Amino acid sequence: GAVVSQHPSRVICKSGTSVKIECRSLDFQATTMFWYRQFPKQSLMLMATSNEGSKATYEQGVEKDKFLINHASLTLSTLTVTSAHPEDSSFYICSAITGTGAGKLFFGSGTQLSVL
Amino acid sequence: DAKTTQPTSMDCAEGRAANLPCNHSTISGNEYVYWYRQIHSQGPQYIIHGLKNNETNEMASLIITEDRKSSTLILPHATLRDTAVYYCIVRVAAQGAQKLVFGQGTRLTINP
Repeated sequence: GAVVSQHPSRVICKSGTSVKIECRSLDFQATTMFWYRQFPKQSLMLMATSNEGSKATYEQGVEKDKFLINHASLTLSTLTVTSAHPEDSSFYICSAITGTGAGKLFFGSGTQLSVL
Repeated sequence: DAKTTQPTSMDCAEGRAANLPCNHSTISGNEYVYWYRQIHSQGPQYIIHGLKNNETNEMASLIITEDRKSSTLILPHATLRDTAVYYCIVRVAAQGAQKLVFGQGTRLTINP
């Protein structure tokens, strides 16, 4: 199946710093990518939809100035957690869709963010 | 909000078929049913999807009722590596973006 690469897999940072997470579609072009976050023992929560060449669409309750999304090319979307705080510690997962209509969604391996 | 309901947890013996049910009574005519699974601390893995007809691939079979209000994912010969959280998702098309909204899923445990 299609491959979505997410980097880094784990990051530990100090409170107040910014962290960038990259999501790449390796063998297909993805005009749309999605970003999720997941707390322990909970389901995935959709944060935003990232569209190549345009602004991201954020879900209700997600601060767009806190979670900056850039989708500069058809194979790369980045999520920057700005001025991270301990409550931002979570598992962040990106995904990309292949094709249109019933296209499948493939997921990255996730990034575990720990803010001290 | 997720449009599906699933049992919170299930157990199955290794080597037996695991049947995971899902209710999606408000599904629309052009919405697909997708199944994903997530092993601890990894990204979800695509399993199978379908619209109306039953589907089968190398991983599983998907049985969709005629009224499309429910479906069942079947893992024909479960192994210990199939222990995971299984998510049944109805594809929502909104604002041109075909996002997937996850429910709570079913935690499937395969016992030796």
